[in-house]
Amino acid sequence: DADVTQTPRNRITKTGKRIMLECSQTKGHDRMYWYRQDPGLGLRLIYYSFDVKDINKGEISDGYSVSRQAQAKFSLSLESAIPNQTALYFCATSDEDGLGTQYFGPGTRLLVL
Amino acid sequence: GDSVTQMEGPVTLSEEACLTINCTYTATGYPSLFWYVQYPGEGLQLLLKATKADDKGSNKGFEATYRKETTSFHLEKGSVQVSDSAVYFCALSNYGGSQGNLIFGKGTKLSVKP
Repeated sequence: DADVTQTPRNRITKTGKRIMLECSQTKGHDRMYWYRQDPGLGLRLIYYSFDVKDINKGEISDGYSVSRQAQAKFSLSLESAIPNQTALYFCATSDEDGLGTQYFGPGTRLLVL
Repeated sequence: GDSVTQMEGPVTLSEEACLTINCTYTATGYPSLFWYVQYPGEGLQLLLKATKADDKGSNKGFEATYRKETTSFHLEKGSVQVSDSAVYFCALSNYGGSQGNLIFGKGTKLSVKP
């Protein structure tokens, strides 16, 4: 079984709808991250969490919110989706060794119409 | 702030050709450096890493050396295969500067033709 899973894998929604993307991990890591990937822009950090009680904004947090329900679960919400949030979204985890290696889920492809 | 610049693609090579993808970085302190690979339809996988100057990371025939004097971490492979076709991302993690978050380059798409 995969160490980092994301649901759904694909989602189509309409402008103005609320949508939640979910991430679960079995690696036992405290640190979790949400990124979005756009063609030609690489990956950009949306939010990150170093433990259940510690949540921080990343580079592009506007229009997004997160919830860390447990050590193993980290959800990303789009409160009112807009077309320029169409992207590939990745969840990742890392341990606390400070060396930065992150482990990625398979991604969620989101299309906002 | 910290940043990563890597050569833009796409890069198209014939099988068994040599590969170099350039990556340079800007960071305070002593970052760790990474190459991640993304195969079609998949998430990112760590390919190799180096945590201090002059370290060489290697995996699957790929190599990269952490050059502090030139702030570079170029990815190299002597003989590419069709199965190496993917997008390659250079990244840094600067625990002191960015609290361990990864800063990514924009990615370089590699296509290897038989």
